[in-house]
Amino acid sequence: QQQVKQSPQSLIVQKGGISIINCAYENTAFDYFPWYQQFPGKGPALLIAIRPDVSEKKEGRFTISFNKSAKQFSLHIMDSQPGDSATYFCAASKKGTYKYIFGTGTRLKVLA
Amino acid sequence: DGGITQSPKYLFRKEGQNVTLSCEQNLNHDAMYWYRQDPGQGLRLIYYSQIVNDFQKGDIAEGYSVSREKKESFPLTVTSAQKNPTAFYLCASRIGTDYTEAFFGQGTRLTVV
Repeated sequence: QQQVKQSPQSLIVQKGGISIINCAYENTAFDYFPWYQQFPGKGPALLIAIRPDVSEKKEGRFTISFNKSAKQFSLHIMDSQPGDSATYFCAASKKGTYKYIFGTGTRLKVLA
Repeated sequence: DGGITQSPKYLFRKEGQNVTLSCEQNLNHDAMYWYRQDPGQGLRLIYYSQIVNDFQKGDIAEGYSVSREKKESFPLTVTSAQKNPTAFYLCASRIGTDYTEAFFGQGTRLTVV
């Protein structure tokens, strides 16, 4: 029940295309779902996050779609750019607890 | 500038030696974490600490030890009991539990030969 399953493991997209990364969780007590972006040799940094009281959150070219009934959430990167090439992690946490549960990561490569 | 500082960036050790990775934060965050990153396995939690002098085991604590004597410092010792210590180690901190961001350091790449 503590797992967050992330797919795909790797993704190649043409410049200007849409990148989609999916995550699924089991624990219905999770109530905070962030996405982190990591460049090679660096630590991850928060990209965007959502709470289950909304079904979508958009920040610039990045959108989280959240499906509470299916226990799934996804990251959409519109107009993907070579600079978006990085590893993306979804995560989940529960209010009142200190643990983040991370997905296994998706390595995105955007071709110029 | 506020942030998390991990040192060193690269570390080489001989098999059978203990090694300590440093993590310092000046964000005044209560919670601190250690993660291990291996290709294809995401971020796996080693230990976390909610407050000074208190810490909890994560999912892969065997072969590791930590201390939290000061709020701003959370060093990780990789002991000789850790079977496969070569990895990228990340330290993180959070201000609290509710809908808060985790801030990460730049990581330490440990290679055991």
